[in-house]
Amino acid sequence: AQSVAQPEDQVNVAEGNPLTVKCTYSVSGNPYLFWYVQYPNRGLQFLLKYITGDNLVKGSYGFEAEFNKSQTSFHLKKPSALVSDSALYFCAVRDYGGATNKLIFGTGTLLAVQP
Amino acid sequence: DSGVTQTPKHLITATGQRVTLRCSPRSGDLSVYWYQQSLDQGLQFLIQYYNGEERAKGNILERFSAQQFPDLHSELNLSSLELGDSALYFCASSPQGYTEAFFGQGTRLTVV
Repeated sequence: AQSVAQPEDQVNVAEGNPLTVKCTYSVSGNPYLFWYVQYPNRGLQFLLKYITGDNLVKGSYGFEAEFNKSQTSFHLKKPSALVSDSALYFCAVRDYGGATNKLIFGTGTLLAVQP
Repeated sequence: DSGVTQTPKHLITATGQRVTLRCSPRSGDLSVYWYQQSLDQGLQFLIQYYNGEERAKGNILERFSAQQFPDLHSELNLSSLELGDSALYFCASSPQGYTEAFFGQGTRLTVV
């Protein structure tokens, strides 16, 4: 079965510093990986995805993610954090066992960017 | 705006009652997914429909049921509600394949 893990419940970073939110995956077959962001009292917004191709994926709001097959990781990164980036971030993997292609989510990482 | 519409946005009801949550997927998306988000359980997959047929069931209680109609909108029915059912319920839709899913704004259910 496919799964993802987010080892950090919370990440704190100062505004202007680079940020990394970690995600590791476990899949049988090709991984289809995603990052979503959730602002307070809002739905999940899609940030970026890895399906195939370049290991560095660029997404919305200046975020990018690096796919590393040997380390089974898909970490979310941004060169310079903004206070407005403070939100809950979810890593997800597509499950394609049987007839489903549902998304399986990690537990989420709360990103707090201090001014 | 993701293009996925959920109604109502907020719902307050008493224990033992029944409610229906509604979801309109993005135009052309055949798959609809329901998720429950609570503080202690995180984002839990409940159920998936594809073009009117049930495709997968997750951690969905027997008191909960769902369906997808011919116009592709979906409804999640929650009955005999308990305090622990209070949560944010999300609907998402996606086209066929393994690309991203798009989420609605959610329905916040409070059971009192």
